[in-house]
Amino acid sequence: GAVVSQHPSRVICKSGTSVKIECRSLDFQATTMFWYRQFPKKSLMLMATSNEGSKATYEQGVEKDKFLINHASLTLSTLTVTSAHPEDSSFYICSAITMGLAGNNEQFFGPGTRLTVL
Amino acid sequence: QKEVEQDPGPLSVPEGAIVSLNCTYSNSAFQYFMWYRQYSRKGPELLMYTYSSGNKEDGRFTAQVDKSSKYISLFIRDSQPSDSATYLCAMVTGGGNKLTFGTGTQLKVEL
Repeated sequence: GAVVSQHPSRVICKSGTSVKIECRSLDFQATTMFWYRQFPKKSLMLMATSNEGSKATYEQGVEKDKFLINHASLTLSTLTVTSAHPEDSSFYICSAITMGLAGNNEQFFGPGTRLTVL
Repeated sequence: QKEVEQDPGPLSVPEGAIVSLNCTYSNSAFQYFMWYRQYSRKGPELLMYTYSSGNKEDGRFTAQVDKSSKYISLFIRDSQPSDSATYLCAMVTGGGNKLTFGTGTQLKVEL
């Protein structure tokens, strides 16, 4: 399957600082990437849809000024958690869409980034 | 009512058992169905992708879709300890690309 990478895999920061997480599609171009948040033993919660060259589309209840998304190229999307607070501590996962063998869109996930805000 | 319902488990089975994981859904617009496996502290890994009613087999895994009953299943034959993980069902509408996930079922295969 297609490979999606994330960097960093783990980050610890102080409250009030900003953290940037990178999501890259390694062997394909992705016009659309997604950002999810996952709490322990819970399912994935879609935060936003990131489209190359345009503004991200945020899900209801997700603060766009808090979670800045930039999709600068067909292989890179970044999520910046601004002025992070302990309640932002979570597992952040990105995914990217590519065309499957059957002509359908298949979504592949990155390994996730564990953010801990002290 | 959630759009996708999945029993969270945990489900514990002995090695070699046949495992049945299930999801039900309410939105008849869902056309594509996926099963992901997620190990602890890792991203989900796509296991199976189906888009028509019936069965699809890949090695020890069989995905089953019954659109008339709005019910999908994943069967794992000859389960191994390495199958211990959380299994997430996901689905998407035709023409859409946003996945709707079930809550995930935690599976433990014991020696």
